Amino acid sequence: EIVLTQSPATLSVSPGERVTLSCMASQTVDSFLAWYQQKPGQAPRLLIYDTSKRATGIPARFSGRGSGTDFTLTISSLEPEDFAVYYCQQYTNWPLTFGGGTNVEI
Amino acid sequence: QIQLVQSGAEVKRPGSSVSVSCKASGGTFSKTVITWVRQAPGQGLEWMGGIVPIFGTPNYAQNFQGRITITTDESTNTAYMELSSLRSDDTAVYYCTMVRGVITPNFFEHWGQGTLVTVSS
Repeated sequence: EIVLTQSPATLSVSPGERVTLSCMASQTVDSFLAWYQQKPGQAPRLLIYDTSKRATGIPARFSGRGSGTDFTLTISSLEPEDFAVYYCQQYTNWPLTFGGGTNVEI
Repeated sequence: QIQLVQSGAEVKRPGSSVSVSCKASGGTFSKTVITWVRQAPGQGLEWMGGIVPIFGTPNYAQNFQGRITITTDESTNTAYMELSSLRSDDTAVYYCTMVRGVITPNFFEHWGQGTLVTVSS
């Protein structure tokens, strides 16, 4: 099973700041990595797939990069609606696995 | 616009079974991958299993083997997840997801609103 480790667990930031979240895989996932945003009481929402492709309707301030085992999600300028928990997920191997999440808070 | 609408919250006794449905609209149901993901209270996301409706053979996570059944009804664009031998630690929100295309393993493009299943005596 591929283990995904996200860091930091919690990130305290202010609107307008640039934020970079990390996701590290225990073995290579090639480029088969996705990112999701989840707000309290809501279902997760797909942000990024294939490491760097934005899902439909996702603002350009969200970007993803990386390869192999090290990946990042960057929010170029944090908007008030971006405060949420972010999860990474690999889909190179079964079982599909998620990281533990990063809580981006004020 | 694809929408996934799940059935309502359930309260179940330990040892019983639960069935959660997920009805899709706004897209071609058969040429997709349907996956179920759960989230225990205050916890992260856990993949449970998935199915490609046109192939019909589900793929289950090891943790749920023997307890989970995922099926689809293409005539109604509805997917079902049944979990048996429920325990208190099965208390969670259960999500159905869909991604267009039939390539697996997959990510999760569209999500249902979630169904809270509470297991309590």
